[in-house]
Amino acid sequence: ETGVTQTPRHLVMGMTNKKSLKCEQHLGHNAMYWYKQSAKKPLELMFVYNFKEQTENNSVPSRFSPECPNSSHLFLHLHTLQPEDSALYLCASSQDEGRGQETQYFGPGTRLLVL
Amino acid sequence: GNSVTQMEGPVTLSEEAFLTINCTYTATGYPSLFWYVQYPGEGLQLLLKATKADDKGSNKGFEATYRKETTSFHLEKGSVQVSDSAVYFCALKTSGSRLTFGEGTQLTVNP
Repeated sequence: ETGVTQTPRHLVMGMTNKKSLKCEQHLGHNAMYWYKQSAKKPLELMFVYNFKEQTENNSVPSRFSPECPNSSHLFLHLHTLQPEDSALYLCASSQDEGRGQETQYFGPGTRLLVL
Repeated sequence: GNSVTQMEGPVTLSEEAFLTINCTYTATGYPSLFWYVQYPGEGLQLLLKATKADDKGSNKGFEATYRKETTSFHLEKGSVQVSDSAVYFCALKTSGSRLTFGEGTQLTVNP
């Protein structure tokens, strides 16, 4: 499936590095999401953007900084991460029509390892 | 609040066996219900969905029926294949809420 793409697919970084994750959706959707999936933990919603505006930040540490320049692109900027931030980071998009039952489509994820 | 309870895994089956993964939910309002599948090393893929009571979602031989009376959305497949080995997530969404996932059920199908 190529509806939601994420790059890079794998990333290894040191705790002092700065890197960015990129997500692009080709579905014409107006909402985008970042999730974190850690081993043996439920999926955690991190950020939600509707029409490029951030509508939800679930108490995510400031070392994660999202950016949504337009409704097709979403970035997650990373700096001074900790080893416990190692996880699979998933991007998703949906068409929010105000009915609240929209389907979210996920990208393949970026597997992040923080050393 | 909303919650999803999934059958605990892991589940191990032989090829061509019948599969059921139980999913029950609690929700405020009228949810849409989803099954997502995650193959090894991949992200989540939407497998099927149902948006109202008695709807049946189906895809790739999998089926699930939205049962409002039992607040359930059990996933079934009549004959599993090795390629169905993956983690399966049940999820729900109501108006004004985030997508709520179950904890996932690991399925392994042996030849």
